[in-house]
Amino acid sequence: NAGVTQTPKFQVLKTGQSMTLQCAQDMNHEYMSWYRQDPGMGLRLIHYSVGAGITDQGEVPNGYNVSRSTTEDFPLRLLSAAPSQTSVYFCASSTNPGQGWSGNTIYFGEGSWLTVV
Amino acid sequence: KNEVEQSPQNLTAQEGEFITINCSYSVGISALHWLQQHPGGGIVSLFMLSSGKKKHGRLIATINIQEKHSSLHITASHPRDSAVYICAVPRGGGSNYKLTFGKGTLLTVNP
Repeated sequence: NAGVTQTPKFQVLKTGQSMTLQCAQDMNHEYMSWYRQDPGMGLRLIHYSVGAGITDQGEVPNGYNVSRSTTEDFPLRLLSAAPSQTSVYFCASSTNPGQGWSGNTIYFGEGSWLTVV
Repeated sequence: KNEVEQSPQNLTAQEGEFITINCSYSVGISALHWLQQHPGGGIVSLFMLSSGKKKHGRLIATINIQEKHSSLHITASHPRDSAVYICAVPRGGGSNYKLTFGKGTLLTVNP
């Protein structure tokens, strides 16, 4: 049971390049989300998914694209990288709380450090 | 104004001290998460609680839904507790896929 796996861990991009951050979970979780973490700010939601084929925008979606073709995978695409997208990116997954919240836990990937020059 | 406010921002303690980190939020919620982020970046969920108190080892989390306030306590603190502690609440609808985070409290425990 690997939990949430993010790749790559480190990446340097040139302005205008595109890339995909991969996220996979093996816990059959319905919910998956992408966050970015910047100095002095809390983590902010980029995009999220509540199940295969269903995605929606979070607080800071501009410049990013997502898809969810399977329950396991939730890749984040940077369409044309900009220096403002230099950040640490975290993927997270969790179950649907359903009727109650007991035992519900969020799992995070190890993070992806992205630098855009 | 951030929907989730944590205090203090930075906290330095001596080994063995009792630690309290506070979290206040402005929106109605059904549950709150406490997370731990160690140097190197990995984030681990410590607690999710919707009422009362939860305890895990030396960690205790409490929440008062009516007062929109939660606290994380660490008893007999140890240098390995040094980390950033983050509280987070679900945005609208009480779901885990849309969290709003506090900016975190950097805890340093000196031997």
